[in-house]
Amino acid sequence: DGGITQSPKYLFRKEGQNVTLSCEQNLNHDAMYWYRQDPGQGLRLIYYSQIVNDFQKGDIAEGYSVSREKKESFPLTVTSAQKNPTAFYLCASSIGASMAFFGQGTRLTVV
Amino acid sequence: KQEVTQIPAALSVPEGENLVLNCSFTDSAIYNLQWFRQDPGKGLTSLLLIQSSQREQTSGRLNASLDKSSGRSTLYIAASQPGDSATYLCAALPSGGSYIPTFGRGTSLIVHP
Repeated sequence: DGGITQSPKYLFRKEGQNVTLSCEQNLNHDAMYWYRQDPGQGLRLIYYSQIVNDFQKGDIAEGYSVSREKKESFPLTVTSAQKNPTAFYLCASSIGASMAFFGQGTRLTVV
Repeated sequence: KQEVTQIPAALSVPEGENLVLNCSFTDSAIYNLQWFRQDPGKGLTSLLLIQSSQREQTSGRLNASLDKSSGRSTLYIAASQPGDSATYLCAALPSGGSYIPTFGRGTSLIVHP
């Protein structure tokens, strides 16, 4: 089955620690996106990539980093510079203006 | 900058009612508008996508309409069921070529038996 896989489903981060969220797709989509979702805030764009080896900052990129070395993979690293990382993170992919597909999300909690 | 607003923010109805969820956008230069469903703690599932040249799309008990000139889209749910309980989000895709959608904050729907 084609789709987007995010892992892990739950992630706990200690203060000062970097953590990486995985996003893999087998849809052969060119574009991939990372969103952050907080209660009552809707979806906010962190980073997006429209082609391999290229990515752009979204509205809230500070404290996050990404890479796009393969078409199928778009990992997100939450760095220690992100002071309020507790949130639900969603990865999505699309081709051009086609229907976007989303993963099942990763819930990150600071402990 | 595009802004997308969804009204109401929350809705609670008895089973069997017909519902209308509203989505408004400030910039009519859109390529398409998409409706999603999100269950608690889950990702988004696409329900309907309306191209800018279309007026409506239908899937089962769902019907979505688009009026670009007034900056509005509505999602009509017929004969609501408890299984329809979820958050419904709309997203407007700009026509400028960036293909980065702007999402509304969603309408949280509860259908009680």
